[in-house]
Amino acid sequence: QVQLQESGPGLVKPSQTLSVTCTVSGRSIGSGGFYWNWIRQHPGEGLEWIGYIYHSGSTYYNPSLKSRATISLDTSNNQFSLTLTSVTPADTAVYYCARSNEFQLDFELWGQGTLVAVSS
Amino acid sequence: QTVVTQEPSLTVSPGGTVTLTCASSTGAVTSGYYPNWIQQKPGQAPRALIYSISHKHSWTPDRFSGSLLGGKAALTLSRVQPEDEAEYYCLVYYGGGWVFGGGTKLTVL
Repeated sequence: QVQLQESGPGLVKPSQTLSVTCTVSGRSIGSGGFYWNWIRQHPGEGLEWIGYIYHSGSTYYNPSLKSRATISLDTSNNQFSLTLTSVTPADTAVYYCARSNEFQLDFELWGQGTLVAVSS
Repeated sequence: QTVVTQEPSLTVSPGGTVTLTCASSTGAVTSGYYPNWIQQKPGQAPRALIYSISHKHSWTPDRFSGSLLGGKAALTLSRVQPEDEAEYYCLVYYGGGWVFGGGTKLTVL
């Protein structure tokens, strides 16, 4: 059974860099067939797609975050990560990782999310 | 910036039927947009219900169905149950990237 589990710092100061990690269990992220996504949800608001990475390392980002977001793969630890630079309180959100199927293009599997607050 | 529009809120009676819709600022939603429907209950992580217009996951109750309706993606709930009260998001593919709709808060009353 494949599972996704996010982890993050909990609290980040403004202007610093936010990093969250998704640990995948039950399947190798390097084996192909899936996109590995990051989605966030500001408190009390809707969902926002941030971007994805493919097993080859190719990425695609939401244009509104492209200049600050980087998604990377760590196949040795079966993890993928999101780094967001120059954060402001507007980046306070629950960050979710999700897997989407390459062929069906469905977001079939989600993690439970990790809350990251940006505050001094 | 592409905008995906959903009804902000809908109310349905238990046992009734309701249809939620999802419109794209770029024009009609077609199969090439691979619309997904995602359910989120308060305090819980999102859960996928429907993909590629009308395909269900193994865990999706039969009373949920997806379709294209008048140029929009649509999610129809039949025989609505109290546990269907949730926020429903559509998710649309735009040639590489994805855009979420603003969500529909469904109240079962």
